[in-house]
Amino acid sequence: DAMVIQNPRYQVTQFGKPVTLSCSQTLNHNVMYWYQQKSSQAPKLLFHYYDKDFNNEADTPDNFQSRRPNTSFCFLDIRSPGLGDAAMYLCATSRDLVAETQYFGPGTRLLVL
Amino acid sequence: GESVGLHLPTLSVQEGDNSIINCAYSNSASDYFIWYKQESGKGPQFIIDIRSNMDKRQGQRVTVLLNKTVKHLSLQIAATQPGDSAVYFCAENMNYGGSQGNLIFGKGTKLSVKP
Repeated sequence: DAMVIQNPRYQVTQFGKPVTLSCSQTLNHNVMYWYQQKSSQAPKLLFHYYDKDFNNEADTPDNFQSRRPNTSFCFLDIRSPGLGDAAMYLCATSRDLVAETQYFGPGTRLLVL
Repeated sequence: GESVGLHLPTLSVQEGDNSIINCAYSNSASDYFIWYKQESGKGPQFIIDIRSNMDKRQGQRVTVLLNKTVKHLSLQIAATQPGDSAVYFCAENMNYGGSQGNLIFGKGTKLSVKP
């Protein structure tokens, strides 16, 4: 009964080769988030969708893009991965934006060679 | 800038003892707080939350205390078990300005439970 699903769990890509990470949810939540988490650090928000409304954090590099084709799915596209983009990428959902719990998926560990 | 931080980066306790993990937040306008548990290689798992109109909230073996006067949040785990070993993050939900919905995470405390 997984609620936030991320695929794949591990992803290996080459330097500069585009990669897409996927997230799906069974909660029918309005909001979906993408976080980047590096070793021994807290998750860092990249962007979120409120329904179809995209909100990018000011310091998120242009190299990171996102798509949300429907309520259930959200994708993270890294156009030209660099070595510094190796991290855990976490997807989360919440029913609404304000004062709502965010539920996280298991994450995708990205390795850049 | 405004941030959520933790007093102790690591905490080691004996199995069966109670654990207390502390968190300081700097934004008095924040009105919702969450504690997450993150095991190695996994995503953060919701433990308990509290809204600013409360001082205390209890769950199963866990209690969260909120002291708005000193902007302090704590997580108490009763009868700590080996399965409680993880990194614990406090998070503050921003509800103002252009950052509605953003979760600001503290740095995390690693809890190690000794058998």
